[in-house]
Amino acid sequence: AQSVTQLGSHVSVSEGALVLLRCNYSSSVPPYLFWYVQYPNQGLQLLLKYTSAATLVKGINGFEAEFKKSETSFHLTKPSAHMSDAAEYFCAVSPSGGYQKVTFGIGTKLQVIP
Amino acid sequence: SAVISQKPSRDICQRGTSLTIQCQVDSQVTMMFWYRQQPGQSLTLIATANQGSEATYESGFVIDKFPISRPNLTFSTLTVSNMSPEDSSIYLCSVERDTDSGANVLTFGAGSRLTVL
Repeated sequence: AQSVTQLGSHVSVSEGALVLLRCNYSSSVPPYLFWYVQYPNQGLQLLLKYTSAATLVKGINGFEAEFKKSETSFHLTKPSAHMSDAAEYFCAVSPSGGYQKVTFGIGTKLQVIP
Repeated sequence: SAVISQKPSRDICQRGTSLTIQCQVDSQVTMMFWYRQQPGQSLTLIATANQGSEATYESGFVIDKFPISRPNLTFSTLTVSNMSPEDSSIYLCSVERDTDSGANVLTFGAGSRLTVL
């Protein structure tokens, strides 16, 4: 069984401030972890993924996430928010090893204040 | 990665009617997935559609309510039957983007936003 918990359905940051979106997972086997972003009226796009290589994963648009097994966390960060980062962000988990069902979190809407 | 086109992008439907959503992919794919995105809830997998076989439905979803067709490797349809206001949602088509990492990375269409009155 697997699940994802995203803390905070809405997060607001000022332009230029640190972005931190929290994700905790539960998985009975070693997981693969993902962050997806959804801009208004668009489909979800992959930001980054963790597949048991480096624990610090860098993605597109300056985002990165760190896999912390001891904390069962995969938080998404960006040092400096840009107006174009305003979107909904989804954390997701799947068991490792071949094709496996992906389970998504509830999503966090990021608002960037000028 | 694959480009996915979904139609319609949005629709307003009357209670008791049915609506078919189309999903077209610009390359051949083995598996296509249909998700539902309800307001304030996570994406929920409805079913997996493989070409040439019956779709596999997740718990809580049945073929009579959500019949799926998969006539070839680039196309699928999802029908939402006998709709009620509770079916108001965004329906998303997705495909596996790449498997070189061994992970199930997904590409999504823009979604079909249904409102049932």
